[in-house]
Amino acid sequence: RKEVEQDPGPFNVPEGATVAFNCTYSNSASQSFFWYRQDCRKEPKLLMSVYSSGNEDGRFTAQLNRASQYISLLIRDSKLSDSATYLCVVTSDYKLSFGAGTTVTVRA
Amino acid sequence: EADIYQTPRYLVIGTGKKITLECSQTMGHDKMYWYQQDPGMELHLIHYSYGVNSTEKGDLSSESTVSRIRTEHFPLTLESARPSHTSQYLCASSGWGQGIETQYFGPGTRLLVL
Repeated sequence: RKEVEQDPGPFNVPEGATVAFNCTYSNSASQSFFWYRQDCRKEPKLLMSVYSSGNEDGRFTAQLNRASQYISLLIRDSKLSDSATYLCVVTSDYKLSFGAGTTVTVRA
Repeated sequence: EADIYQTPRYLVIGTGKKITLECSQTMGHDKMYWYQQDPGMELHLIHYSYGVNSTEKGDLSSESTVSRIRTEHFPLTLESARPSHTSQYLCASSGWGQGIETQYFGPGTRLLVL
């Protein structure tokens, strides 16, 4: 079983829609959680850290559910520029594990 | 923006050549990493380092080697390039801030071996 699993998508949504997706992790002792964004043929860039209480950054909301071992990302009022692959990253024993990514395509 | 740099950004080279992909960071991070990623596929960790003179192999077996003589520099070398080495190579470093260790990526090197 992979340490971090994501629905690969793609999620095709119209501009202005809300899109949400999850990532599950296998190690219950995982310590830190992140969402990265990767554009086509570019390097991953940190989108946001995920805190136990959940956190927002503009149109992006991240949640952590330790009991069920998943994190989620919700994008409100989606823009064309939100089209990307979103990588879930989990730290366990100071080792980072990357999910394979969820592809989001926002259409006009 | 993260202060982590990779050169060259693109490289086309013939089979059997020796190549070195450069990676440097000016953030003073002890931990550095090399990932391999094929188009549309997930990242695979091939090497990492916890500091000077520390190098470890990652999850994906690789014929490349790395060295860490200076904190800021983590070059990756392929002694004899083959077409199967064609891929994107991403360097990263990680550091602590606000109680969380965060990883930052360089822009990557796209390697094509003919």
